[in-house]
Amino acid sequence: AQSVTQLGSHVSVSEGALVLLRCNYSSSVPPYLFWYVQYPNQGLQLLLKYTTGATLVKGINGFEAEFKKSETSFHLTKPSAHMSDAAEYFCAVSGQNYGQNFVFGPGTRLSVLP
Amino acid sequence: KAGVTQTPRYLIKTRGQQVTLSCSPISGHRSVSWYQQTPGQGLQFLFEYFSETQRNKGNFPGRFSGRQFSNSRSEMNVSTLELGDSALYLCASSLNAEQYFGPGTRLTVT
Repeated sequence: AQSVTQLGSHVSVSEGALVLLRCNYSSSVPPYLFWYVQYPNQGLQLLLKYTTGATLVKGINGFEAEFKKSETSFHLTKPSAHMSDAAEYFCAVSGQNYGQNFVFGPGTRLSVLP
Repeated sequence: KAGVTQTPRYLIKTRGQQVTLSCSPISGHRSVSWYQQTPGQGLQFLFEYFSETQRNKGNFPGRFSGRQFSNSRSEMNVSTLELGDSALYLCASSLNAEQYFGPGTRLTVT
């Protein structure tokens, strides 16, 4: 079974500050890990993914995340927040076998203050 | 390539009615998954279809059903609608473990 927890349902940062959104997972099989972003009244957009290989993955819009197996974490970071980053962010885990369904975390709403 | 499309985008139904939502995946994607998103429960997995067969199913009552056609387009149906079925229904098509989401159908049950 798989599960995802995201610490903090709402995170506020100032424009230009570091963004850190936390994600911890549990999985009985080697996981694939994902971060998605959702803007109001829209679907989810893939920011980045970890499948195998390098544990530091870079995504779109300047975001990156590091897979830490020992900590079962996949935290999302961005060095400098922009107003356009305000959105809801979801972490997700799936098994590596094709067809294993995604499990999403509860989401973290990011606010960026001017 | 065109993205995932969902129709209709908005829908208002009355309790007890049934509804059918449609999803057209990205060309070449054979897997389609459906999710229900509500403020209280977040994103919940409904089911996944691959090559016209339901491959995975979430923990939803039998009122929720789906199917996939030979062109990979998928429909989901909800019968005997309840107020609690009001939600954003998201469809995702996938290839190589990446899921690509459509804009969703906002269903309101009154």
